[in-house]
Amino acid sequence: SQQGEEDPQALSIQEGENATMNCSYKTSINNLQWYRQNSGRGLVHLILIRSNEREKHSGRLRVTLDTSKKSSSLLITASRAADTASYFCATVALRGGFKTIFGAGTRLFVKA
Amino acid sequence: SQTIHQWPATLVQPVGSPLSLECTVEGTSNPNLYWYRQAAGRGLQLLFYSVGIGQISSEVPQNLSASRPQDRQFILSSKKLLLSDSGFYLCAWSPGRLATNEKLFFGSGTQLSVL
Repeated sequence: SQQGEEDPQALSIQEGENATMNCSYKTSINNLQWYRQNSGRGLVHLILIRSNEREKHSGRLRVTLDTSKKSSSLLITASRAADTASYFCATVALRGGFKTIFGAGTRLFVKA
Repeated sequence: SQTIHQWPATLVQPVGSPLSLECTVEGTSNPNLYWYRQAAGRGLQLLFYSVGIGQISSEVPQNLSASRPQDRQFILSSKKLLLSDSGFYLCAWSPGRLATNEKLFFGSGTQLSVL
């Protein structure tokens, strides 16, 4: 399949700490996206990084992409209790066009 | 602005009964439309996607089918539900004018329990 693994599967940290989630994939990609899902809700798009980019920032989010290792990481700095959610990476293959394939996700719990 | 509506929010159906989940998008034209399924505590599995009316791509052979009778309407159906069809079903759309998906907008999901 196109998608690999995300790790960790679950992460518990204290408010104010940084949270890092990793994502690996198997095929050459056009872009990689990160989404957030609160329990029982739909997913919300956080950030996109294209295959020719290595790093992007958006507020407290920092995403890196290493196409040689087929991996990406999402860093949330100065986490808040409201960041508690599941986070998913999703890839669009180089010739995938409209198909967006999701990983299994990381469940983040931020303790107040 | 664009909005996506998905209903019902929850559904309990007996094994062998039919299914029809509906999703509609407002405020945009010619969107790409998607159905995903999510098992409890797991990632999303792409079931179907559509780039135009009557155009359906199936990703996983299964007990389900999809139809797009109108530009902004996407329907997920089954003639006879199985226990394994239980899950959280999510509809999503993306702008159709782009050559590649860069962002999906999700509905609020339908929790389907087949008993």
